[in-house]
Amino acid sequence: NAGVTQTPKFQVLKTGQSMTLQCAQDMNHEYMSWYRQDPGMGLRLIHYSVGAGITDQGEVPNGYNVSRSTTEDFPLRLLSAAPSQTSVYFCASSSTGNGNQPQHFGDGTRLSIL
Amino acid sequence: GQSLEQPSEVTAVEGAIVQINCTYQTSGFYGLSWYQQHDGGAPTFLSYNALDGLEETGRFSSFLSRSDSYGYLLLQELQMKDSASYFCAVKNFNKFYFGSGTKLNVKP
Repeated sequence: NAGVTQTPKFQVLKTGQSMTLQCAQDMNHEYMSWYRQDPGMGLRLIHYSVGAGITDQGEVPNGYNVSRSTTEDFPLRLLSAAPSQTSVYFCASSSTGNGNQPQHFGDGTRLSIL
Repeated sequence: GQSLEQPSEVTAVEGAIVQINCTYQTSGFYGLSWYQQHDGGAPTFLSYNALDGLEETGRFSSFLSRSDSYGYLLLQELQMKDSASYFCAVKNFNKFYFGSGTKLNVKP
């Protein structure tokens, strides 16, 4: 029972590089989302999707792109990495966007931008 | 915009009861969630309140007053394993906004 799988778990990038953080879920969930968590802070929503082919911006979308071509996968792309994007990134999924459906989080990707 | 306020840290003794408060300001409100996060781990869902009142799940209860823009998480019979950070989150349409979290320290 894999749940939400994020890869890689750790990554170091140089300023200006691009990369894709992968997120996959095997629960047939419609709602998926990406958050970043900075030290001592809560999670901030980057982008979310309510189903395949549908994405929308969250609270802090600048510098990030997403796509949702399948129900299972929701990759997050950093276009040109900046030190301010150093953070822990969490992907989450839930059966719907209703709050009473728990969001299941992946283990996170710890990203450092030098 | 959205803003949520929680105490940054709370300390309690094993076996005691602790209440973690959350006040919020939001342009639209659908409900209030609570999540637990152990150091280095992923957040896990605890509860959700869409309507006023108390929701109970085992040792944990969550309360909401929409008129006061206020909620709390009540943890009873505290155990050492409850030492973690607790986040409230407001749901506004399809978006979730998290507070900065309350670090709960449970002492023997």
